[in-house]
Amino acid sequence: GAGVSQSPSNKVTEKGKDVELRCDPISGHTALYWYRQSLGQGLEFLIYFQGNSAPDKSGLPSDRFSAERTGGSVSTLTIQRTQQEDSAVYLCASSSNSGPSEQYFGPGTRLTVT
Amino acid sequence: GDSVTQMEGPVTLSEEAFLTINCTYTATGYPSLFWYVQYPGEGLQLLLKATKADDKGSNKGFEATYRKETTSFHLEKGSVQVSDSAVYFCALYSGGSNYKLTFGKGTLLTVNP
Repeated sequence: GAGVSQSPSNKVTEKGKDVELRCDPISGHTALYWYRQSLGQGLEFLIYFQGNSAPDKSGLPSDRFSAERTGGSVSTLTIQRTQQEDSAVYLCASSSNSGPSEQYFGPGTRLTVT
Repeated sequence: GDSVTQMEGPVTLSEEAFLTINCTYTATGYPSLFWYVQYPGEGLQLLLKATKADDKGSNKGFEATYRKETTSFHLEKGSVQVSDSAVYFCALYSGGSNYKLTFGKGTLLTVNP
């Protein structure tokens, strides 16, 4: 079956513009995660979804960041009024919630803010 | 809070050399520990894991032992191949129902023929 997919794979945007990043999890996976990988940093947790609700948004760096999930499937991460420090690779992962080792990661979206 | 510290790269080795990538952690309780690998152009893949002290995780010739006394989970391989060139991430899960993983910064490994 298909793995986790993300689009676009690369996005270049001007400072101040809004961007939307999309994640298609593995079919049937109830849990979905967004992480951010900045240059020289590890992977930072951003947000966790269980179904369509987000019980843990603790990693979102500011109120410019938001995310939603619809139909228990596709998720969109939106960054408003992008800043240069938002440049990073945004990774999505999904799991069937059978345990932490079963997170399957997508290839990521590389965001560059100029 | 939870944190993971792994050796900074890049690490460059010749084929068949011995590999060690150090990883130490800080966590409450008794975390589960993981190594993930990211090959060029691909997503992260789970390489191996250990869920309790003295457990040894192993896969594809790689091994790591959960050492509670030294809070470490060092990755080792006896003879690396060119195909092992990738970025390696150490990670932990310390509990709770959301299964959030805390990652180290990653170590880039390049293996030359």
